[in-house]
Parts: sequence; C-alpha cells; structure tokens
Amino acid sequence: DAGVIQSPRHEVTEMGQEVTLRCKPISGHNSLFWYRQTMMRGLELLIYFNNNVPIDDSGMPEDRFSAKMPNASFSTLKIQPSEPRDSAVYFCASRAGFMNTEAFFGQGTRLTVV
Amino acid sequence: ELKVEQNPLFLSMQEGKNYTIYCNYSTTSDRLYWYRQDPGKSLESLFVLLSNGAVKQEGRLMASLDTKARLSTLHITAAVHDLSATYFCAVFQGAQKLVFGQGTRLTINP
Repeated sequence: DAGVIQSPRHEVTEMGQEVTLRCKPISGHNSLFWYRQTMMRGLELLIYFNNNVPIDDSGMPEDRFSAKMPNASFSTLKIQPSEPRDSAVYFCASRAGFMNTEAFFGQGTRLTVV
Repeated sequence: ELKVEQNPLFLSMQEGKNYTIYCNYSTTSDRLYWYRQDPGKSLESLFVLLSNGAVKQEGRLMASLDTKARLSTLHITAAVHDLSATYFCAVFQGAQKLVFGQGTRLTINP
C-alpha cells in the first residue's frame, strides 16, 4: 500500500490566492483527518470525516477554510483567500473504522503564503 | 474538551542515559497512541496502548498506560543519537476525534 498521499508537497502562493490541498487516504480506511502544524500552535485538528461525511469541523479556523470528501478515495482542503498566517504544514491522516486502530499520516503539504 | 499535555516539551540528554516523557490527558480514555516525527517529516506510529496497564516495547523505547491516572509514559533506555526526534502522544475524544499533545523535542548528544 502506498500510504496516505498528499499533493502538492510544497506550495508557495501569494496572499489572496486560492489554495487547494489534496489527499488520497489508504484504501479501505473510512476516517480521514486534516491537521495543521505550526511551531506556535503544534498539531491542530481542523476537520475529520467518517464515511465521507464531515463529523466535526470545529477546528477550522475561519470561513476561508473549507474541506470536502466527495468519495472514499479523495479529499480536499481549500483556503480562499489565503493569508500569510495560513503558512504551515498541513497533514492528512486516515484510519480504518475499527475502534483501536491508529491514524496513518501523509507526508504533508508545506504551504507558504507570501 | 479533551486536553493532552506532555512533559517536558524539550529534552536534551546524553547518549547512554535513561529518561522518561510524560503524557497526561484530561478525560477518560482507554486508548493512547505514541508517534515519532523527524524534522521535516511526517508522523510515524510507534505504539498503540489499548488498556489500563498496557506496556509496549520496541528497542530502547517502552511505553505504558495508566488509565486511572490518565497518564502514559515513554521511557528511553540507554539513549542513542538515532532516537533524536519529536515524540507526540495522542488520545481519542469520543470514538473518532484524535487529539495530540504538544510534542516533546528530544535531542540526544554524543
């Protein structure tokens, strides 16, 4: 299995532009998480899905952030418009639906907004 | 709201020494996870602890869980440089929401 796949690995964009991050979870996993990691705030859970349905988006910082999971093999996190304070590493993780399994992380997308 | 707190946040130690990282969490849970993150890399699962008294060992690392005290420990024995990384513990809030501690940045000096 290729693991959780995220794209792009690096993204540099100008303030005000739209940014879309992509994630392909491990096949057969039915829970998907989006995290943001910064030095100041550590690992923050933004949103998670179960069976493609958003369960908790209370971690999404503002309305500029949105996430979708149109099917079991694909999810996007969109920021529109982007701001310099959105610069961070964004991780996607997936997990099989059993209670005791751990989450597996993708390689992350390093976003820089200038 | 679940809070997960690690102690210490930074740890510098010499090779060959032993040390322990602590993870406290604020609400009842019987599942706890430890992850390792190397600089610029993703998070790698180390241990899955599923019940009170659970103990797992891998090489020089040993993790344990005390659900009554809401405490997990990650013990490092005879540290080597390759163990330098940031270590995170994580706990589920409810069935699905995985909450991480702040991380402990471990530096092992020759």
